[in-house]
Amino acid sequence: EAQVTQNPRYLITVTGKKLTVTCSQNMNHEYMSWYRQDPGLGLRQIYYSMNVEVTDKGDVPEGYKVSRKEKRNFPLILESPSPNQTSLYFCASSLYSGTDTQYFGPGTRLTVL
Amino acid sequence: AQSVTQPDIHITVSEGASLELRCNYSYGATPYLFWYVQSPGQGLQLLLKYFSGDTLVQGIKGFEAEFKRSQSSFNLRKPSVHWSDAAEYFCAVGAADSWGKLQFGAGTQVVVTP
Repeated sequence: EAQVTQNPRYLITVTGKKLTVTCSQNMNHEYMSWYRQDPGLGLRQIYYSMNVEVTDKGDVPEGYKVSRKEKRNFPLILESPSPNQTSLYFCASSLYSGTDTQYFGPGTRLTVL
Repeated sequence: AQSVTQPDIHITVSEGASLELRCNYSYGATPYLFWYVQSPGQGLQLLLKYFSGDTLVQGIKGFEAEFKRSQSSFNLRKPSVHWSDAAEYFCAVGAADSWGKLQFGAGTQVVVTP
């Protein structure tokens, strides 16, 4: 089944404790992206990747890191999480770019205490 | 840079009635426009998209949207809603000069009453 998977689905952590949210797709897509969803703000793009080893900032990259060492995986790293990063995070992938149909993962709900 | 506005935060509609969700965008050239739907507890799913050509676009689940350049709008419509259409709807805009970026609106929550 073609899908985007994220792990974990739920995470509660404390300020400053490094964490990684994994994202994997099995559709051989070139493009992957991370978004955060906050009430009243919709989805805001954090980082995106057009290809392996090619990443670029979205609208809200501060406090986040990403890497794209292989096509299928695009982990999101929070080196020192803060409470303002409490949010619902979505990973998405598409064939080539952000303007192609994006396929979204189920989301990761993160709470930073 | 592109941006998108959804003026309605929340809409309540009766089952069987028509639905129209508004979306206004800001972009200098012809934008790439999308409507995505998020059912409760789910990720987002594409309903339809517009790149060029016919300004009336048909999508899945009986939805359609019309691109109006003069009004910078891309409104979503459905003639007769079903209870399963209760969800949050997001308009998004992309740009040909920035293939990686996609800007989403704040979303419109649709409630369907019996």
